[in-house]
Formats: sequence, structure tokens, C-alpha cells
Amino acid sequence: DGGITQSPKYLFRKEGQNVTLSCEQNLNHDAMYWYRQDPGQGLRLIYYSQIVNDFQKGDIAEGYSVSREKKESFPLTVTSAQKNPTAFYLCATTYDRGPRNTEAFFGQGTRLTVV
Amino acid sequence: AQTVTQSQPEMSVQEAETVTLSCTYDTSENNYYLFWYKQPPSRQMILVIRQEAYKQQNATENRFSVNFQKAAKSFSLKISDSQLGDTAMYFCAFTLYNNNDMRFGAGTRLTVKP
Repeated sequence: DGGITQSPKYLFRKEGQNVTLSCEQNLNHDAMYWYRQDPGQGLRLIYYSQIVNDFQKGDIAEGYSVSREKKESFPLTVTSAQKNPTAFYLCATTYDRGPRNTEAFFGQGTRLTVV
Repeated sequence: AQTVTQSQPEMSVQEAETVTLSCTYDTSENNYYLFWYKQPPSRQMILVIRQEAYKQQNATENRFSVNFQKAAKSFSLKISDSQLGDTAMYFCAFTLYNNNDMRFGAGTRLTVKP
């Protein structure tokens, strides 16, 4: 089935540790995004990537890093520099830019908790 | 950067009645897309409706319709004949015509009461 797979669904991290959230898609979409969702704040953009080996910072990139080595994958690393990482993280994709731009498709999310 | 504002954190409506959710946005660009997404308790984001800025006609999808006022930068969602399954968070979203930088509002939590 075509779709976006985020793993794991739940993740626990000790303070001071880096952790990587996985996002894989088989939709052949060009653009991929990472959002953070906190209560009352909606979705805030962390990073996005329009093509392989290229990505752009969003509004809250500090303490996060990404890579886009292949079209299908866009992993997000939450580093120890992120002061308040407990949140729900959503990965999304869109088909293309410009006239063929369509709606975003979302994964089912990863709930990260720092313990 | 573009911004999206949803000024109603929570709303409720009786089953079978009509409710309107508000959204305003700020941009200096002329070509863009607007969306409404639904996030039910499962947290899976689902597209409800989309609107291209160059189209004057308001988009409609079954019980869902929008009131797009480009000059006022307003994009409200009307849900007719509300159903219990409409209970969810609703997010307004914006993206430029030639850019993939998608922005979301803070969301409106809608509860449909039986």
C-alpha cells in the first residue's frame, strides 16, 4: 500500500540523549516535512526538504537535525540541545511544487517523551 | 514568512446543525493554496477541503464548504448537517504556489453534541 510510515509510534528518551525519528514514504513525493504538535499551538514546521540532499529550516529548527539522502526517507534527529523535546511529531509529504502542488499527506505520528 | 491565525480554540455544535470555523492569514503573495485539515482523536491528519487563490468560486465538498475572501485574507470553513464523526481538531493551512513551505494555524477543537 502507498503511504507514509513513521516509526516508532511511541518513543521514550532520557535527558541528554539524541534520538532519531524515522519517516519513510512510497508515494514518490518530492517534498517532505517535519512538524511538531503541542497542545494549543497547532503544527509548527521544523524542517522541510524539496529534493534529495537539500533541506530548509522551518520556524523551530534549533535542537533538531535532518538528512535527505534518498527520496523515500527523511529522518529527524532530536538532539540533546532541544530543551523541551516532549511532543507529538508528524511527518508529511507533498507531490511537487508549483501548479501540481497538492495537499499534504501525513504519517500517523510519533509521540516522544523525555523521562 | 506567512502566518495563519485561528482565533477559536474550541467550538461546539449540536448534531445536524451548521457551524463555521474561522481562519485568517497574512501574505504579500498573490498565488497560493489554502486547506482545511481534520485531526480526529486517532491523530491521523485528513484533508477536508482545498482552495486555490486564483479561483473566485468557493470550494465545496459534500457537507463542507469554504468562504474565501481574498481581499480580507479570510478562509472560513462551514460544516453543514454536523455529524458526531465531525468531532476533531480542525487546522487551517497555507502554502505558496511555487514553494513547499506549508504553514498551519493553531487549530480549533470542534465537538459535535448529540
